[in-house]
Order: sequence, then C-alpha cells, then structure tokens
Amino acid sequence: DTAVSQTPKYLVTQMGNDKSIKCEQNLGHDTMYWYKQDSKKFLKIMFSYNNKELIINETVPNRFSPKSPDKAHLNLHINSLELGDSAVYFCASTLGTSAYGEQFFGPGTRLTVL
Amino acid sequence: SQKIEQNSEALNIQEGKTATLTCNYTNYSPAYLQWYRQDPGRGPVFLLLIRENEKEKRKERLKVTFDTTLKQSLFHITASQPADSATYLCALGGDSGGGADGLTFGKGTHLIIQP
Repeated sequence: DTAVSQTPKYLVTQMGNDKSIKCEQNLGHDTMYWYKQDSKKFLKIMFSYNNKELIINETVPNRFSPKSPDKAHLNLHINSLELGDSAVYFCASTLGTSAYGEQFFGPGTRLTVL
Repeated sequence: SQKIEQNSEALNIQEGKTATLTCNYTNYSPAYLQWYRQDPGRGPVFLLLIRENEKEKRKERLKVTFDTTLKQSLFHITASQPADSATYLCALGGDSGGGADGLTFGKGTHLIIQP
C-alpha cells in the first residue's frame, strides 16, 4: 500500500493556466507538507499544515494555495502558472503536530510550464 | 542567513570501503538533524534522526554523529555496496523559530559506490 500518494506524476501545461496537484496519505498522520525541488535539486519547504494551523514559507508566491478537505489530504493549487514554477513538487507527512519525527514523502509531481 | 552545506556534490567510493558524508550548518540552532536518501525520480526516504543531546546514532551499516559545537554532522556507510549509490540529504528541524515548519534540506551529496 502506498503511504503517501500524489497525482498526477507528470503535469505539462501552458503559462497562465491554473492547475492542481493532489496528495493523500493513509498513515493517519497529523501534519502534511509541500516541498518544491528545483532543477538544482534543492528541496525547499513551501507549506506545512495540520488541523490547527497553516504555516506558509514567506518566499512562496500567493499564487500557490494549499487546500485540505480532510486530515488525509492536502492538495496544492497553483494559479497563473509561470515558467519558474517548473519543478518537482513533493508532498510529505509526519505523525504529530511538530516536525520532530521522520517525514514520509510522496513520489513527486514533475510540473513543466511551457 | 541560515545555511546548510554538504561536503561535495558527488563522492566516489570503492565498494567495501566506508563512505563519509559531511553536513555543516550556520546560523541554526536545530533541535535535531535527519538524513534522507533520494533515488532518481523518487521522493526522499528517511534514514536516521539524531537529537541535539545525542552524539551518535547507529542503524545497521549506518552511523550518524552530531556535533552542535562544530555545527556538523557526519554520516557514515560502512562496507559500502553499489546499491548504496544515491543522493543523501541532510535536513535540520526544530530551530529556535519553532512551529510545524517542516525541514530545511541541504543540497545533497551524490554518492557513487564503484564495484
């Protein structure tokens, strides 16, 4: 069984479009995250979210917004896509409401903006 | 500004030898440090976590040390095998900033174990 899953695995779209990436975890974890890994392989936190609070990395443009319909899902919506948004996006989760434990990562979604 | 440096972008080691990877950080006061492995086209996979009050942690052929005075962690793989070839990421968390703010990753070291 896949612990953290993401869809789609690949996403190719035009500049200016709006797109969403879905993430689901079946681990019963309390906190979920979105990370961005750019072409230089640098992995950066974008958001962390539990049922009490959303913490946003201040460098993330407000075109990016996380949506959590329930504890097991944290989707990423991106408006007005730009070329610089091309990257691999990883969802992750951890038990509890702090980042002290190991994080479980999804397989990633490779976004290409043309 | 906060910074994490991993010793080199690529490291070539002969099979059977011990691979040692370095993670140095500045302007951090992490409560713990984690190491992850990432294979091409996949998400990072957790390997080990070491807390600020721990000097050393072991798991099978893996060993991690954490020196908060030097602001450095060393990650060792003993009796290395070609299957250990991957990118290894150092990650810090629990900084004095607090909160569920995720991990801060280094750029990683690409380890190649040659038969």
